[in-house]
Amino acid sequence: DAGVIQSPRHEVTEMGQEVTLRCKPISGHDYLFWYRQTMMRGLELLIYFNNNVPIDDSGMPEDRFSAKMPNASFSTLKIQPSEPRDSAVYFCASSFGTSGAYSYNEQFFGPGTRLTVL
Amino acid sequence: GQQVMQIPQYQHVQEGEDFTTYCNSSTTLSNIQWYKQRPGGHPVFLIQLVKSGEVKKQKRLTFQFGEAKKNSSLHITATQTTDVGTYFCAGGARSRRALTFGSGTRLQVQP
Repeated sequence: DAGVIQSPRHEVTEMGQEVTLRCKPISGHDYLFWYRQTMMRGLELLIYFNNNVPIDDSGMPEDRFSAKMPNASFSTLKIQPSEPRDSAVYFCASSFGTSGAYSYNEQFFGPGTRLTVL
Repeated sequence: GQQVMQIPQYQHVQEGEDFTTYCNSSTTLSNIQWYKQRPGGHPVFLIQLVKSGEVKKQKRLTFQFGEAKKNSSLHITATQTTDVGTYFCAGGARSRRALTFGSGTRLQVQP
């Protein structure tokens, strides 16, 4: 298994531009998580999905951030418009859990996307 | 909301010395997981604890879950340079269907 795949690995953009981060979870996993990691705030959960449905988006910073999961093998995190304070490493993670129940199984993280907004 | 704190933030040890990181939650946890992140890498799952007072070992690593299920610790015996990285605890609670990650402890091992 290739593990969780994220693209791009690095993204440099200018303030005001739209940024789209992509994630392919491990096949068969029914939970998908988006995290943001910075030195100041550590590892923050932004949003997570269960069976492609967003369950908790309380960590999404503001309306500039949106996430979708159109099918079980693909998710996107979009920032529009981007700002310098959005610079961080964004991780996608997936796990397997009983549908509709709490998923406290091991989370498998992707390699991350390092975003720099100038 | 739930908060998970870790101490220390950073520790520098000589190779062969022991190391311990502590994790404290503001609320009772249903479970706790530990992850390790190497410099420039991504978090990798180490272990999960579920039961009150549970102790698990992985070679030189010992994990404990407190009796009240509000704290946990990770102890490394005789550190090696391969132990370098940041160690995160992540707590789960019935009130929130996701893990809350601690701030992490960065371990540096001097050869």
